Amino acid sequence: EDKVVQSPLSLVVHEGDTVTLNCSYEVTNFRSLLWYKQEKKAPTFLFMLTSSGIEKKSGRLSSILDKKELFSILNITATQTGDSAIYLCTGGSNYKLTFGKGTLLTVNP
Amino acid sequence: DAGVTQSPTHLIKTRGQQVTLRCSPKSGHDTVSWYQQALGQGPQFIFQYYEEEERQRGNFPDRFSGHQFPNYSSELNVNALLLGDSALYLCASSFGQSNTGELFFGEGSRLTVL
Repeated sequence: EDKVVQSPLSLVVHEGDTVTLNCSYEVTNFRSLLWYKQEKKAPTFLFMLTSSGIEKKSGRLSSILDKKELFSILNITATQTGDSAIYLCTGGSNYKLTFGKGTLLTVNP
Repeated sequence: DAGVTQSPTHLIKTRGQQVTLRCSPKSGHDTVSWYQQALGQGPQFIFQYYEEEERQRGNFPDRFSGHQFPNYSSELNVNALLLGDSALYLCASSFGQSNTGELFFGEGSRLTVL
């Protein structure tokens, strides 16, 4: 059975801190690793990674995939209170996404 | 350009009842997937509809069924509701059956079973 494990499950930091969120996966017919941000209801897309070792960046967020170790990290630098959310890691196979439980990030002023 | 829309946003049912949730995909998308997100958990894949047929199914009982209409919109039906069915039900749309790139999610339907 496909499995995605995220750590930590929750994290509390102060504004300006840098955080690293971890994701390991075991997904049959793996095709992509995606990160989503969920603030209230609808998860919103952050990154899709398909190749090892190539960092993707969007502003203060960046992510990288290691297909040999079946691992991905999401980095957020200079955190802001608006970064407070659940960050979901998911492995994509032929037809579905398998999600981890998410990391609840709380950024305090 | 309207994104994925779902209705109703909230509903309360009692055990044993039946519920129907609705989803309209993002314009240009032809594939709809349904996910169940229990409190404190990540979304779990229920099933996928493409060309008006259920193409793939996750580990959910037959009480969960669905339908896709010619305009690509979709319904999720749950029969004989159990307390454990209380969750946020998310609809996601994409183009193409085998696309596991970015999925666009709706705001979800929050179901509470009493």
